[in-house]
Amino acid sequence: SQKIEQNSEALNIQEGKTATLTCNYTNYSPAYLQWYRQDPGRGPVFLLLIRENEKEKRKERLKVTFDTTLKQSLFHITASQPADSATYLCALDGRNRDDKIIFGKGTRLHILP
Amino acid sequence: DGGITQSPKYLFRKEGQNVTLSCEQNLNHDAMYWYRQDPGQGLRLIYYSQIVNDFQKGDIAEGYSVSREKKESFPLTVTSAQKNPTAFYLCASKGSLAAFGEQYFGPGTRLTVT
Repeated sequence: SQKIEQNSEALNIQEGKTATLTCNYTNYSPAYLQWYRQDPGRGPVFLLLIRENEKEKRKERLKVTFDTTLKQSLFHITASQPADSATYLCALDGRNRDDKIIFGKGTRLHILP
Repeated sequence: DGGITQSPKYLFRKEGQNVTLSCEQNLNHDAMYWYRQDPGQGLRLIYYSQIVNDFQKGDIAEGYSVSREKKESFPLTVTSAQKNPTAFYLCASKGSLAAFGEQYFGPGTRLTVT
């Protein structure tokens, strides 16, 4: 069955450093991979989408890589700030209109001042 | 403002009662989704709808029902048959023109059944 794993439940990073979150998947060939941010008690908010034929995508301090051979995506936040503290969700999306998006359990990121 | 609204934010019910969670969107999206989120768990898909008057079961549909009579609205009923209904419920929508794209989520409803 399809499986998506995010490297750890929680990650503590010192302010100013780069935070790197990992998303691994098996038994799936996603056409797209998405990252969302979720704050406590709120709905997830879309951050970035990367296609299977793209190696890297950037948006301000965020960078996502997608390696379809390793079946892995890395999500980087550079120059991290305490306001970046949240849960980050990885999601896989298929090729067809009817495909359902599959979400990982998320990684809770704490940026320590 | 465009977006998705869910109401109420907190809902309390006694065991054995059905309860309906509201979800409305003004994004003109065709596709709408209901997820359930439990502590330490990912989002689990309950039901989804690609067009009006049509919907499909997700991975954990048992004990839930939905309707899609209008494009803007996708209410979820948690029935008394749902064994563990206490959870955080999230509604989402997605533009239908593309096969891919981000989902827009509502603020969620936290349901507590005692």
